[in-house]
Amino acid sequence: NAGVTQTPKFQVLKTGQSMTLQCAQDMNHNSMYWYRQDPGMGLRLIYYSASEGTTDKGEVPNGYNVSRLNKREFSLRLESAAPSQTSVYFCASEPGQAPEAFFGQGTRLTVV
Amino acid sequence: QKEVEQDPGPLSVPEGAIVSLNCTYSNSAFQYFMWYRQYSRKGPELLMYTYSSGNKEDGRFTAQVDKSSKYISLFIRDSQPSDSATYLCAMSVVKLIFGTGTRLQVFP
Repeated sequence: NAGVTQTPKFQVLKTGQSMTLQCAQDMNHNSMYWYRQDPGMGLRLIYYSASEGTTDKGEVPNGYNVSRLNKREFSLRLESAAPSQTSVYFCASEPGQAPEAFFGQGTRLTVV
Repeated sequence: QKEVEQDPGPLSVPEGAIVSLNCTYSNSAFQYFMWYRQYSRKGPELLMYTYSSGNKEDGRFTAQVDKSSKYISLFIRDSQPSDSATYLCAMSVVKLIFGTGTRLQVFP
């Protein structure tokens, strides 16, 4: 009963490096989300995908790209990491018929 | 102006107190209103949701939605130390938007 799995759990990057955060869900959900969480800022939506093959920008998309590889997987890519992207990143999935989003355990990213 | 506003707290109450957590919003198109609970270093978990206006009760938790005032509330009765967490309101019409979260501490 894995639910939503994010990898890696922790990562330290140097400014300018690139990396991809992986997210997979095994609940056959249609919608998937990427959020970042910073102190005092709550969860801010980066990108979301309402169904396989579609992606849309959220509140803070600059500096990120996403891929909805298939129904299970939704990856987030940082092409050139900046210290401002230091944050905790959460992936979530939602059935689409009801607003019950399930979250992964988060990826703690530090950019130095 | 953010679409969803929430007082970040922190809110500190004694065990057994009634807790009131609130959010306001600006987008009248929101249809679903949710409350999530997040323990330290964990992902958020859904507590309960309501559709449109009205009340919903689940054990010690009651959610209220007043669409005319664009105001939602979560009440926790007989609060317990295990309720200590951050509580996030969230709303959706197509995408899921969160408030900043209110950190609650219930002391014995």
